[in-house]
Amino acid sequence: EAGVVQSPRYKIIEKKQPVAFWCNPISGHNTLYWYRQNLGQGPELLIRYENEEAVDDSQLPKDRFSAERLKGVDSTLKIQPAELGDSAVYLCAGYDRNTGELFFGEGSRLTVL
Amino acid sequence: SQQGEEDPQALSIQEGENATMNCSYKTSINNLQWYRQNSGRGLVHLILIRSNEREKHSGRLRVTLDTSKKSSSLLITASRAADTASYFCATDLYNTGNQFYFGTGTSLTVIP
Repeated sequence: EAGVVQSPRYKIIEKKQPVAFWCNPISGHNTLYWYRQNLGQGPELLIRYENEEAVDDSQLPKDRFSAERLKGVDSTLKIQPAELGDSAVYLCAGYDRNTGELFFGEGSRLTVL
Repeated sequence: SQQGEEDPQALSIQEGENATMNCSYKTSINNLQWYRQNSGRGLVHLILIRSNEREKHSGRLRVTLDTSKKSSSLLITASRAADTASYFCATDLYNTGNQFYFGTGTSLTVIP
């Protein structure tokens, strides 16, 4: 069974440029999370989806961040425009209702210059 | 925002020794989970303990939970160099419908 797929793995952009990250969770994981992880820190929740509905986006900086999960499967997280402080790893995870576990992708490492 | 805090922030031990890391959290939980993260990789689930459980074992891992103190500990016995990683606790907050918050992490180095 394929794991959580994220792309790109690495992205380097200039500040004020846009960037997008894509995530495809494990089939059947209807709950999807986007986390941001700064160097040496734990993941911080940005947004949680139940199928296509964003049920908690209170931590998402809405002035520049947006996310979508149109068909309740894969998801995209966008930043426009990027700022220096957005440099981090963006992690996507799906929730397994049977075991209560989160399954993470390898993450997308963003560097903003 | 971080829900939990791990202690210590960093731990260095010799291979074969036991490693203990602690997690404290702030509000009521459904369960608490521990995850491992190798450098540059995603997080991998290790073990889940429910709020009505006090201790759980999985291989060389032993987790305890004290809901009165809002704390948990992870013990790794007979550590190996391959256990070198960062370890995070994650709390599934009560009444939030699978909302997971992670702690700050403990960086474990096992010296061969």
